[in-house]
Amino acid sequence: QKEVEQNSGPLSVPEGAIASLNCTYSDRGSQSFFWYRQYSGKSPELIMFIYSNGDKEDGRFTAQLNKASQYVSLLIRDSQPSDSATYLCAVRVNSGYALNFGKGTSLLVTP
Amino acid sequence: EAQVTQNPRYLITVTGKKLTVTCSQNMNHEYMSWYRQDPGLGLRQIYYSMNVEVTDKGDVPEGYKVSRKEKRNFPLILESPSPNQTSLYFCASAGPNQPQHFGDGTRLSIL
Repeated sequence: QKEVEQNSGPLSVPEGAIASLNCTYSDRGSQSFFWYRQYSGKSPELIMFIYSNGDKEDGRFTAQLNKASQYVSLLIRDSQPSDSATYLCAVRVNSGYALNFGKGTSLLVTP
Repeated sequence: EAQVTQNPRYLITVTGKKLTVTCSQNMNHEYMSWYRQDPGLGLRQIYYSMNVEVTDKGDVPEGYKVSRKEKRNFPLILESPSPNQTSLYFCASAGPNQPQHFGDGTRLSIL
């Protein structure tokens, strides 16, 4: 069973702080890693993807990948109340299409 | 605009009355997939399709059918719906080595 694990939260951070969301995965053959944001009752929206070890930055978002330790994280700088959502980690094992999803971490940014 | 379109967005129906949820994508993607999302259980894959006339079971296929007669369309069929199929359903599509794009979701209530 290919496991993708996330803390369910809620993770509560004050406005302007850095939110750190973590995800671990079990399959060492995993190749591609995705972060989706999902507002309540809405569809998942892709915000970041990362393929190589290290950091990838896009605006206020940074994805970090450590394949040796089998974890991927998402940092959100200058958190805003509008960032309050559930963040889904998704992992692709082989080249192709299928994704294994974690159950998501709920983030609450308080004004 | 690139999109995945699901219809209907909301449906309340009764046990045993056959229903179809349509999904259409305009990105010429080979891969399409159906998920259901329930509180605490995350996204669970129902069926997927790698191309026209090629479909396969996901993690929770019981009680569902799909077809892929055209590349753009991937309908989800519930031939005899039951209350345990009350859920939020998402269709997604992807090109090779690309992230999955999700439709807006269909909220099904089966009484």
